[in-house]
Amino acid sequence: DTEVTQTPKHLVMGMTNKKSLKCEQHMGHRAMYWYKQKAKKPPELMFVYSYEKLSINESVPSRFSPECPNSSLLNLHLHALQPEDSALYLCASSQGTAQFYGYTFGSGTRLTVV
Amino acid sequence: AQTVTQSQPEMSVQEAETVTLSCTYDTSESDYYLFWYKQPPSRQMILVIRQEAYKQQNATENRFSVNFQKAAKSFSLKISDSQLGDAAMYFCVYSNYKLTFGKGTLLTVNP
Repeated sequence: DTEVTQTPKHLVMGMTNKKSLKCEQHMGHRAMYWYKQKAKKPPELMFVYSYEKLSINESVPSRFSPECPNSSLLNLHLHALQPEDSALYLCASSQGTAQFYGYTFGSGTRLTVV
Repeated sequence: AQTVTQSQPEMSVQEAETVTLSCTYDTSESDYYLFWYKQPPSRQMILVIRQEAYKQQNATENRFSVNFQKAAKSFSLKISDSQLGDAAMYFCVYSNYKLTFGKGTLLTVNP
């Protein structure tokens, strides 16, 4: 299995809702990432979970909360989002921090905040 | 900080023709990796080709090849025999323990 699976593919949520995005990989990768991507822009790194240690991009607001239940799963919990948070959320994984092999990306969750 | 510049926001090519996408980067590191990623309308970011900075030989993957000029900090992607399925956003990416993306080049393939 050489895939990163993201669910759901599409999500519409109100500003008062709580929802979660799920990301799963079974390649034995020890690092997983969440990216936010606006239309026609490059992805922006939000969180890194590598070797059981979480690194946070300090510009990411606290209404986004990552969780890593095990080395194959990475969730992104969403709460009290704003319309400007509407974007494509990409999950990725890699064999390690050396980055030689690049990242394997999922197909993303298209999030719309209304 | 590393920066990656893709000077062509959009490009188009006729089917079966060859197209070259440009990329320059800035770094003070000597050991790093460079990638080209493709993102079609299906949204998934797909690794097209990788280059190790300490290898002088240009990487090739089937119809895709790069022209890596380390001294000039240039990393262009050549797509030969372009196909309709090559239409996508292409990102040049610098990697040294974290990824730095260029702004992307949107490639259109005309039949």
